[in-house]
Amino acid sequence: GEDVEQSLFLSVREGDSSVINCTYTDSSSTYLYWYKQEPGAGLQLLTYIFSNMDMKQDQRLTVLLNKKDKHLSLRIADTQTGDSAIYFCAESSMNTGFQKLVFGTGTRLLVSP
Amino acid sequence: GAGVSQSPSNKVTEKGKDVELRCDPISGHTALYWYRQSLGQGLEFLIYFQGNSAPDKSGLPSDRFSAERTGGSVSTLTIQRTQQEDSAVYLCASSFSGSRGTEAFFGQGTRLTVV
Repeated sequence: GEDVEQSLFLSVREGDSSVINCTYTDSSSTYLYWYKQEPGAGLQLLTYIFSNMDMKQDQRLTVLLNKKDKHLSLRIADTQTGDSAIYFCAESSMNTGFQKLVFGTGTRLLVSP
Repeated sequence: GAGVSQSPSNKVTEKGKDVELRCDPISGHTALYWYRQSLGQGLEFLIYFQGNSAPDKSGLPSDRFSAERTGGSVSTLTIQRTQQEDSAVYLCASSFSGSRGTEAFFGQGTRLTVV
């Protein structure tokens, strides 16, 4: 079945760039998502990319996709303390009619001043 | 309402009791999802509704779990004879159509603690 993996923890200093990595196993046509979860809050969609794209940029966020290696990354430029949260990678695939999101375990990002 | 609303926000129940968790999706959203977030387990898909029908309930962990949706709107997740391993945050999400790339909006979740 589908599997999504992420590293559990990342610590950076304010102003640095953060790179959060994710690998997935489903090889069918896929949408890949990045969600952010702040303490006590629900999940907020940050961005998504379809598997025929290599890169997507949205303000401080850059998503890179290596489809051959099934590797996805989220780069946050000029990281701020307000970016501290848990970041989830997720995928939905043609196998499930794009109707089910499979999430990674989340990467806790800690930004120190 | 403006967002997905879940109630209660917190629920403590005794082992063996039944619980009902409620989700009010965003008005006009036809797709509704339930997920469970446990420590060390990440986010686990439970069930998906399109309108009032559930084309995918493959994630329900046992027959103690059931869900329904009425009027294409409110959904209730019911857990019968709760066990301690049911303790988790139960998240509901809705989206406009459930089709590819459609943004799913999440509620803040119900934290269930079984003692």
